[in-house]
Amino acid sequence: AAGVIQSPRHLIKEKRETATLKCYPIPRHDTVYWYQQGPGQDPQFLISFYEKMQSDKGSIPDRFSAQQFSDYHSELNMSSLELGDSALYFCASSLMGEGSPLHFGNGTRLTVT
Amino acid sequence: GENVGLHLPTLSVQEGDNSIINCAYSNSASDYFIWYKQESGKGPQFIIDIRSNMDKRQGQRVTVLLNKTVKHLSLQIAATQPGDSAVYFCAESSGGYNKLIFGAGTRLAVHP
Repeated sequence: AAGVIQSPRHLIKEKRETATLKCYPIPRHDTVYWYQQGPGQDPQFLISFYEKMQSDKGSIPDRFSAQQFSDYHSELNMSSLELGDSALYFCASSLMGEGSPLHFGNGTRLTVT
Repeated sequence: GENVGLHLPTLSVQEGDNSIINCAYSNSASDYFIWYKQESGKGPQFIIDIRSNMDKRQGQRVTVLLNKTVKHLSLQIAATQPGDSAVYFCAESSGGYNKLIFGAGTRLAVHP
């Protein structure tokens, strides 16, 4: 079965640079979520989109923005990168509605040097 | 890997034993709960879910128990196998948007 696809798998950037992470949800899923996971930490919710509109917002820094496109793929844009942004970034998708589990991609590992 | 285990509690079991992983959730309004398994270098993988109108749900080799009175969730794995070694997270949500809030993970180490 098709899963959530994230690209790139690994990304190395320097401080103050920008980065763009991409997410392709499972076909027919209408909702996309972004999570950040630091070493030894649980995933932290950043932001979500339903039908191309932002549906919820978590602990996403103002330096980050995201959007969902007409084909339902999503991009997380990160600017003025800081060392503390180094983490795993996961995208998940689901069908909107109660009781629909989130399915996660294998993440993008971002390293800021 | 991303889960270096510095901050994660670890449950060590022998192959073939039953495992019980516990989780205390935070929001009394949460009405949907999920257990995820995360292996090194991979994203969280769905194991089993349960809604708040149930107190037990069984899957293949796994059982989730929900105690709303004390806001406690547990995952039982029967006949634990080496392939079950991973970090396990519980997650909760409330309302209809499915945004999940994750609890602290537990590392399960299965020894042959």
